[in-house]
Amino acid sequence: SAVISQKPSRDICQRGTSLTIQCQVDSQVTMMFWYRQQPGQSLTLIATANQGSEATYESGFVIDKFPISRPNLTFSTLTVSNMSPEDSSIYLCSVGGLGGTYLQDYNEQFFGPGTRLTVL
Amino acid sequence: GQNIDQPTEMTATEGAIVQINCTYQTSGFNGLFWYQQHAGEAPTFLSYNVLDGLEEKGRFSSFLSRSKGYSYLLLKELQMKDSASYLCAVSPSGYSTLTFGKGTMLLVSP
Repeated sequence: SAVISQKPSRDICQRGTSLTIQCQVDSQVTMMFWYRQQPGQSLTLIATANQGSEATYESGFVIDKFPISRPNLTFSTLTVSNMSPEDSSIYLCSVGGLGGTYLQDYNEQFFGPGTRLTVL
Repeated sequence: GQNIDQPTEMTATEGAIVQINCTYQTSGFNGLFWYQQHAGEAPTFLSYNVLDGLEEKGRFSSFLSRSKGYSYLLLKELQMKDSASYLCAVSPSGYSTLTFGKGTMLLVSP
C-alpha cells in the first residue's frame, strides 16, 4: 500500500483565482492520477500525471484549466485555474501500479484524503 | 466506450443483508474493484475480483461473472457504520487505470 497526503485539505477561493493542490506519496510510485468528485457524485478522472512528460487528460479536461506537474515519482500538483463556482468540488489524488505478487497489486489504486474546494 | 451501472441508492436495516449490483461494459477487463467511501473521506478498498465466482472476506463478499458483465457486493449483518457510498470500478486495460461507476449510497437504519 501507500500513504498519500494532500495539501491543502480544504480551501475557499474567489472566482477568477487559481489554486494549486499538492499530492505527496511516501514511496516511489509509477502511476499517479487526479480525480474530481462533485457533491453527491462519483469520481471523474481528470488526468494521469506522467513523470517527466505532459499529463494525459481525459475528455472534457484541458491543460490550460488543469495544469499538472509531476517532477518525480513521489510528488504531483494539480492547479485549478481561473476558478468559477462550478469548480467547487473535492479533488482527489490517487496512486497505482505499485506491483507485487498478484494482479490486484498492479491494478489497485490508493487514494489521498482529498482537497475540498469551494469557489465563491 | 466504458459503461458501469449501479443503483443510485439503497436502504436497509441494521442486522440485515444487502446486495449491491454492478453491470459493466468495457473495452477490456483486468479485474473489478469495490471501494467504500464514507462522506467526506477517501475511497478505501473492499474487494477485487478477476476470476468468476465469489470472494468472501468477513461480512463482505463479492461475486463476478465475466460472461455476463456482472458483479455484486454482499454485505451481511449490517451495521450503522456501513452507511456509505459503494463504488464499483473496472480496470479495463490493466496497470491501475480504473473506470468508476456512479456509486451506490447505502443507508442503514436502526
